[in-house]
Amino acid sequence: QSVLTQPPSVSGAPGQRVTISCTGSSSNIGAGYDVHWYQQLPGTAPKLLIYTNNNRPSGVPDRFSGSKSGTSASLAITGLQAEDEADYYCQSYDSSLSALFGGGTKLTVL
Amino acid sequence: QVQLQQSGPGLVKPSQTLSLTCAISGDSVSSSSTAWSWIRQSPSRGLEWLGRTYYRSRWYNDYALSVKSRITINSDTSKNLFSLQLNSVTPEDTAVYYCARGVKEIDFWGQGTLVTVSS
Repeated sequence: QSVLTQPPSVSGAPGQRVTISCTGSSSNIGAGYDVHWYQQLPGTAPKLLIYTNNNRPSGVPDRFSGSKSGTSASLAITGLQAEDEADYYCQSYDSSLSALFGGGTKLTVL
Repeated sequence: QVQLQQSGPGLVKPSQTLSLTCAISGDSVSSSSTAWSWIRQSPSRGLEWLGRTYYRSRWYNDYALSVKSRITINSDTSKNLFSLQLNSVTPEDTAVYYCARGVKEIDFWGQGTLVTVSS
């Protein structure tokens, strides 16, 4: 059971907006640790999608955005495209500076 | 562009030691501005951070509590690589193992190595 909780799956039609939540606690996200998001396509390593809560690395479309509030964070994807179908993971830290990952969310584009 | 190239056996017997190496190009293992981690992924445990090594005037290692008694991460500055050793493995250690770079966010990942623990 992951310390950071994500919904196992979300889905949306092309062009729609979806959000993926990441719920932590006062020991990790709520303690002020930043949240990062990764996209993983089948058979590949995770790819950094959002860093430090709401920043996009170069090359990531602005359809992807992140936010953080209290003990939770969210990833939003607007203008959903077929190529967005993947697994998404959130990541943060705890007070021992151990990296923590969410259980992952499978996004299905209908 | 940073590249991480993993190598090591894909099959390890129970009770033996899992050993993997990660060769770095485009950066230095002794860089004082980043850290080098091992992360594994399995259907049962998801993504699990195992530990990291980093250099800040001297070498530091941090390990996950779940593997702390069994893990060693070393660096080799002459070859610009870092390595993972996980002792006394069981079938529960079967996973895809990744080496990775990053202090907070992980911005570069190795290609992954499927390690199966089986006799």
